[in-house]
Amino acid sequence: ELKVEQNPLFLSMQEGKNYTIYCNYSTTSDRLYWYRQDPGKSLESLFVLLSNGAVKQEGRLMASLDTKARLSTLHITAAVHDLSATYFCAVDMGSNYKLTFGKGTLLTVNP
Amino acid sequence: GAGVSQTPSNKVTEKGKYVELRCDPISGHTALYWYRQSLGQGPEFLIYFQGTGAADDSGLPNDRFFAVRPEGSVSTLKIQRTERGDSAMYLCASSLYQPQHFGDGTRLSIL
Repeated sequence: ELKVEQNPLFLSMQEGKNYTIYCNYSTTSDRLYWYRQDPGKSLESLFVLLSNGAVKQEGRLMASLDTKARLSTLHITAAVHDLSATYFCAVDMGSNYKLTFGKGTLLTVNP
Repeated sequence: GAGVSQTPSNKVTEKGKYVELRCDPISGHTALYWYRQSLGQGPEFLIYFQGTGAADDSGLPNDRFFAVRPEGSVSTLKIQRTERGDSAMYLCASSLYQPQHFGDGTRLSIL
């Protein structure tokens, strides 16, 4: 059974600081996704990582994938309040459709 | 363009009742997915349609849950004899390729 673990589950940061969210998964996969969810809203796709060593950046967020370590990271640079949300990683175990999600990281950026 | 549309946005009903949740995917998306999200958790896979057929229904928790997609577009998730444990956010997603695009969900509350 595929398990996806995120840490930390709760993250409170100050504006302007940097931090990294980690996503570990238990079986071989080379497809990993990051989503953002605002309270009461649906999930918004942030990054699609499809191969070992993939790195993608959008604004203050950068995601990377190490399939050998079964690890993805979401790095936040110079956080701003608008980044406050819950961030989920999700792994596809080769089916190309069935995503297994982590529990999410609730990020709060304080002024 | 229009995103994934789910109706109703909220549904409150009594234990034992029957409910139907509707999902209208993005036009042209052949794949449709249902997930269930409990408070503080990531979404959990329920069922996947490719066209009209349910390609994988392994996530449906029991035979009270059923979903259809008769014309390969709109899908309905049906829950019979609802139980309090069925209370959750039900999310629908669609895609042509990855990533999956999610709707705003139906919050189901069973009293």
